[in-house]
Amino acid sequence: AQSVTQLGSHVSVSEGALVLLRCNYSSSVPPYLFWYVQYPNQGLQLLLKYTSAATLVKGINGFEAEFKKSETSFHLTKPSAHMSDAAEYFCAVSKGSNDYKLSFGAGTTVTVRA
Amino acid sequence: EAQVTQNPRYLITVTGKKLTVTCSQNMNHEYMSWYRQDPGLGLRQIYYSMNVEVTDKGDVPEGYKVSRKEKRNFPLILESPSPNQTSLYFCASSPARGTIYFGEGSWLTVV
Repeated sequence: AQSVTQLGSHVSVSEGALVLLRCNYSSSVPPYLFWYVQYPNQGLQLLLKYTSAATLVKGINGFEAEFKKSETSFHLTKPSAHMSDAAEYFCAVSKGSNDYKLSFGAGTTVTVRA
Repeated sequence: EAQVTQNPRYLITVTGKKLTVTCSQNMNHEYMSWYRQDPGLGLRQIYYSMNVEVTDKGDVPEGYKVSRKEKRNFPLILESPSPNQTSLYFCASSPARGTIYFGEGSWLTVV
């Protein structure tokens, strides 16, 4: 069975600073990996996904993530944080191309300091 | 507009009183799922459906039922709710090999 570990339940960054959210996965098969963002009182929105093509994946709002098989990681980064990036972020893994069965990490809450 | 609609958005109920949370999608998606979100645990899948009349258990199905009689609807049924089912619930849908779309969530409190 696949699973996801997000390191750090809370991350605080200054506006303009690098955002780095860590995600490690375990999977018995080549995984499909996702990052979702949840703004307060809203549902989840897909930021980006890795589906075995390019290992560096670019998403919306300036986010990107790099798949590293040797480290079983899929860390999310954004070079310069904006106040609007304050949200909860979830890493998720699925076994294949169908998104319908996802296993989520516990989530990382990002706060951005002015 | 493509959307997944859940109702009710907020509900307080009492232990043992049957309730149904409805979910409807207007994108003709094959796949639909229910998740619950709890602090520190992320989202956990309750049930999923790959098409009409095809449903299967997710990771935490105990205490829940679902049905998929029509492609657009996927209601979540709590026959006898208990306080440990107090949670934030999300319905989701996706086409085959496509991106998941989530509803806005339903806050359920069982007292």
